[in-house]
Amino acid sequence: GENVEQHPSTLSVQEGDSAVIKCTYSDSASNYFPWYKQELGKRPQLIIDIRSNVGEKKDQRIAVTLNKTAKHFSLHITETQPEDSAVYFCAANPRGSGGGADGLTFGKGTHLIIQP
Amino acid sequence: GAGVSQSPRYKVAKRGQDVALRCDPISGHVSLFWYQQALGQGPEFLTYFQNEAQLDKSGLPSDRFFAERPEGSVSTLKIQRTQQEDSAVYLCASSEWTSEDNEQFFGPGTRLTVL
Repeated sequence: GENVEQHPSTLSVQEGDSAVIKCTYSDSASNYFPWYKQELGKRPQLIIDIRSNVGEKKDQRIAVTLNKTAKHFSLHITETQPEDSAVYFCAANPRGSGGGADGLTFGKGTHLIIQP
Repeated sequence: GAGVSQSPRYKVAKRGQDVALRCDPISGHVSLFWYQQALGQGPEFLTYFQNEAQLDKSGLPSDRFFAERPEGSVSTLKIQRTQQEDSAVYLCASSEWTSEDNEQFFGPGTRLTVL
């Protein structure tokens, strides 16, 4: 089955600096890669996603890049703010039949800490 | 509109008790998923429904876990003879269709503690 590795487990950056979180996946058939943000005690919320026919996607301060050959994808947050502090999870859909029809395989999460 | 809701939000059970966890997906969403999230870990897939059909239950950890969605809307996850290792947050998610272009919307979860 699919295996998703996520690094680092904890990331501390100064407010205003950039943060990068990296994930690798094992199933070459995977074609949908969402990123979720989870605040303490809250539900995971989608912040950005990317499909395998796209190499990069950007939404204001957040961007995701995908390298299908190397089977890795990354989340980039620029101009970090205190409200960015949370746990971030990457995920991939095994078997590649679509994000809605498959249970996602998640990474173990990155605790992002924004230092004021 | 209303998001995914789950009840109860917290459940404490004694080892050996049966529990039932409820999920109300977003109205009209075809797909429904259950995940288990242990403390400090990412969600792990348990099972998937398309309308009332349970198409994938490969993630259910044992035959003590059972899920149903009889009318294609509300779903119940039942755990029989609970064990301490079942302690976790159980998340439900729904998505509108089964095609590729699909966000999974998560509920707030039920935190199960087995004593």
